This record gives sequence, structure tokens and C-alpha cells, in this order.
Amino acid sequence: GAGVSQSPSNKVTEKGKDVELRCDPISGHTALYWYRQSLGQGLEFLIYFQGNSAPDKSGLPSDRFSAERTGGSVSTLTIQRTQQEDSAVYLCASSPWDGNQPQHFGDGTRLSIL
Amino acid sequence: DQQVKQNSPSLSVQEGRISILNCDYTNSMFDYFLWYKKYPAEGPTFLISISSIKDKNEDGRFTVFLNKSAKHLSLHIVPSQPGDSAVYFCAASLLSGTYKYIFGTGTRLKVLA
Repeated sequence: GAGVSQSPSNKVTEKGKDVELRCDPISGHTALYWYRQSLGQGLEFLIYFQGNSAPDKSGLPSDRFSAERTGGSVSTLTIQRTQQEDSAVYLCASSPWDGNQPQHFGDGTRLSIL
Repeated sequence: DQQVKQNSPSLSVQEGRISILNCDYTNSMFDYFLWYKKYPAEGPTFLISISSIKDKNEDGRFTVFLNKSAKHLSLHIVPSQPGDSAVYFCAASLLSGTYKYIFGTGTRLKVLA
């Protein structure tokens, strides 16, 4: 499809395991964002990639969280040694390079830590 | 410190009437504002935006109003339809730098048939 694609749609894992979440942005969009939505909360910014610039990691909650964007397209968000408070919906968004265009979101990955 | 606030967690409106969703912000540097609609198990869908140089933007049944002096924006939906039932998030951003969005906690709108 033409939209932002995220996989898996659901992930259940045990506390302490590592997880990888994937995002395929809209073709041609140079900006890519990760957000998360915890239960009853708004969307919380995690990390931003723009072209070849250094990513803005200011929203990552701990050093257990990291993200990569390979070839300026697909991105993976990795959470190491998962904790129960990591349970949330992780949303990826992409946009053209400038801020005047709205971000388009995928349907998210619902992560549940047992 | 919540920079974008949606103080009404829920709102019920009769079909055909106006829905008004409100949003307040604290950072006077924000210069771009958006509304997103979210259905369960789906990602947020962009509805409408407004830059700080305007005080109103209209798109069909949806109108966003911005009051910079009050640091307040609102979304009007006229007429409301049952398909509008969803969670609505307002978001704010700076038109420079990272362009990351700061979201409110959402308002659940229920349009009654």
C-alpha cells in the first residue's frame, strides 16, 4: 500500500526480552518519527530521523531504547531488556522534508510485556 | 509538564449538531497546530492544520480556530455525523528544527444517532 507500514501489529513478550519493531515509511518521505502511546495517554515523541542528519533522540526514555534507519527508508526501533512499563502502542510516522506537511502515521505495534 | 492539554476526556453530541473540541497550550513558541482523528486499532489520521499566522482554517465540515493570545485552539465539526465518533488529538509543533509533535491526551467524541 501507499501508507506507512508497521510490523508486527501485535507483540507479546516476556519481561527481560529484547524486541524489534519495524517501520516502512511512505516512499519519498525523508522524515521519520517514532512515538508511543501508553494507556490513557497522548502520543509521546521518541526519536526523529531526517535524511542523513544525526537523529534527534531526545525523547527516548532510557538507554534500553535505540533506533536505526537504514538507507534513508526502513527504520527499526529496538527495546532491550523490556520492562512492563514499556507496554504501549508504538507508532511510526513519516513526512516530506519540511514541517509544513503533516505527518502520516502507521497503525502501530501494540507491545505487551508480561 | 504537559505543554498541550485537552481538558475534556470525552464529549457526546447529537447527530447534526456542532461538535467543539478544545485544546490549550503553554509554549508560546509553537507555530503550527494540527488535529488528528484516531479510531481503535488504527493510527492517527490527519484532519486539519493551522499555522500561527492564521486564526481560522476551514476544510469542509471541519474548522480550526486559533487564539494565540489565549494559547487556545478549537476544532468545530458541523454537522456532526456518527462516523465522526473517534478520539481526537490536538498537536503542536515548531516550524523549524525537528518538527516533532507535542500531543494532547485526546478527547473521545461520541456522535449519537
